[in-house]
Amino acid sequence: AQTVTQSQPEMSVQEAETVTLSCTYDTSESDYYLFWYKQPPSRQMILVIRQEAYKQQNATENRFSVNFQKAAKSFSLKISDSQLGDAAMYFCAYRSATADKLIFGTGTRLQVFP
Amino acid sequence: EPEVTQTPSHQVTQMGQEVILRCVPISNHLYFYWYRQILGQKVEFLVSFYNNEISEKSEIFDDQFSVERPDGSNFTLKIRSTKLEDSAMYFCASNEDRNTEAFFGQGTRLTVV
Repeated sequence: AQTVTQSQPEMSVQEAETVTLSCTYDTSESDYYLFWYKQPPSRQMILVIRQEAYKQQNATENRFSVNFQKAAKSFSLKISDSQLGDAAMYFCAYRSATADKLIFGTGTRLQVFP
Repeated sequence: EPEVTQTPSHQVTQMGQEVILRCVPISNHLYFYWYRQILGQKVEFLVSFYNNEISEKSEIFDDQFSVERPDGSNFTLKIRSTKLEDSAMYFCASNEDRNTEAFFGQGTRLTVV
């Protein structure tokens, strides 16, 4: 069975600085998708970024980028120029190419200090 | 921008009562999901629904749970006889097809007393 591990329950960063959130996963499949979701205090889950496993190029969305290391089964999220509005719970998630469900990690709470 | 809408935002129910959580997925989406998040824990998959039938379900989704798409726009989750441990945030999600990202609703907080 696939699993997703986020080893950092909490992280903090100063405004305008860069922070990296870690995620590792375990799977025997070669075709899958990886996601980072943000959950602010409002509790809604918002997609931050996605990565297809068959793509070698790391995904980027404005200030958010990933470091996808397929062999190491690692999928970290880098937030550049952190803003107060980035404060939230961040969940890493995995989805097999042959299944519908998302498998989530336990989340990392990110605090942003002015 | 289209969004997934869930009602109510908060529901309090007595143990043993039936509860129905409602969701309106994005209109051109074909895949629908329910997830739940017990306070302080990770988000867990409950069920996926496609082409008017359940396509996958987790071990959490036992006989107490059912889903329905009664009218082509709503997607509901029914819990027949609620237990205290059903207290959680329930998220509905939908996507256009399997290879696109799932959009989540804002959640329904269910409190069983």
